[in-house]
Amino acid sequence: GAGVSQSPSNKVTEKGKDVELRCDPISGHTALYWYRQSLGQGLEFLIYFQGNSAPDKSGLPSDRFSAERTGGSVSTLTIQRTQQEDSAVYLCASSLVSQGRTDTQYFGPGTRLTVL
Amino acid sequence: GESVGLHLPTLSVQEGDNSIINCAYSNSASDYFIWYKQESGKGPQFIIDIRSNMDKRQGQRVTVLLNKTVKHLSLQIAATQPGDSAVYFCAERLTGGGNKLTFGTGTQLKVEL
Repeated sequence: GAGVSQSPSNKVTEKGKDVELRCDPISGHTALYWYRQSLGQGLEFLIYFQGNSAPDKSGLPSDRFSAERTGGSVSTLTIQRTQQEDSAVYLCASSLVSQGRTDTQYFGPGTRLTVL
Repeated sequence: GESVGLHLPTLSVQEGDNSIINCAYSNSASDYFIWYKQESGKGPQFIIDIRSNMDKRQGQRVTVLLNKTVKHLSLQIAATQPGDSAVYFCAERLTGGGNKLTFGTGTQLKVEL
């Protein structure tokens, strides 16, 4: 079946502009996650959605970052007034959570954001 | 602090040899651990996971070992192949912390022919 998809695959923007990154999770997965990966680094947790619960936003680095998940499926990560330090690969993952047991997170290919 | 272009630890092995990639995790309250493989330009790919009530788990050509006493995790790859060349990340999940993962910085595995 189809995996996690993300768009665009690459985004170049000017400092100060807003950007929106999109994630389509695996069909039926109830949990969705956003991570950020800077060059040569591990993944940094940003935000986590699980069903209808309030999202866990504890990883968002500033109030310029926000995310929403519409209809329990597609998610959009928005970065306002982008800064050069926002340049990174933004990765989305989804997982199936059932009976309190948390399953494996499957990742999309990422969106490479470059802020000039 | 980190700098752009930070070099990852690198492990070079000959094709056909066994590889062992190590990871020290940070939190004794973590209850779940995962190894991911990431090839250049791609998202991380799940390899194998282990829960904290186990100390060993085997998959196809891969074995994960967990030593909770010293907070150490290892990934063993048998008969390493050129296709195994990638960056390998360990990740931990904190008990009661939701399902978010904390990732290590990664190890670059290079398989030499």
